[in-house]
Amino acid sequence: ETGVTQTPRHLVMGMTNKKSLKCEQHLGHNAMYWYKQSAKKPLELMFVYSLEERVENNSVPSRFSPECPNSSHLFLHLHTLQPEDSALYLCASSQVTGTEQYFGPGTRLTVT
Amino acid sequence: KQEVTQIPAALSVPEGENLVLNCSFTDSAIYNLQWFRQDPGKGLTSLLLIQSSQREQTSGRLNASLDKSSGRSTLYIAASQPGDSATYLCAVSYTGNQFYFGTGTSLTVIP
Repeated sequence: ETGVTQTPRHLVMGMTNKKSLKCEQHLGHNAMYWYKQSAKKPLELMFVYSLEERVENNSVPSRFSPECPNSSHLFLHLHTLQPEDSALYLCASSQVTGTEQYFGPGTRLTVT
Repeated sequence: KQEVTQIPAALSVPEGENLVLNCSFTDSAIYNLQWFRQDPGKGLTSLLLIQSSQREQTSGRLNASLDKSSGRSTLYIAASQPGDSATYLCAVSYTGNQFYFGTGTSLTVIP
């Protein structure tokens, strides 16, 4: 595997389900990011991790819970989501925060 | 609130034409600016990153310029090809931890 990978690529979940999105970077980077991309809206930065510590949390609802167990892996735990949370969730990494970002292919999430 | 605007929202050009995409931002005290392309249903691919101290960056047929005083960046694509068809996004960073994206310009290059 190279670059940034995300699993699953597609996810359909009910509002009462609990699921997790996984991101892995193979670039030796120290910063990782979660973004949400909804139709007709700009990408929204959700969380930023630097050296496994969260450095930014942009007023994201608590039903989204990030976890960064090491510098190569980033998770987004989901529970009791709403239909408006349906979107493309993108993970990115960079050498350190503020440098060139490399994105994964995204997870297309549908909440029913 | 920081805003990033990209004009036009959509652009269609014949193959071989040179073109310019625009990105404007409200606060000129930027840390850096990055241009990406996104193919339908895919993630973003980094094209160019310009630091606040730089005026332009070049990669192949792409040239990005930065004018902080006017709050603008342009992405110049020379000799466009059908494979250039995608959505082009610019992202502005102010602190290194915060990134603000425009809504993108959807480019179609007609063979």
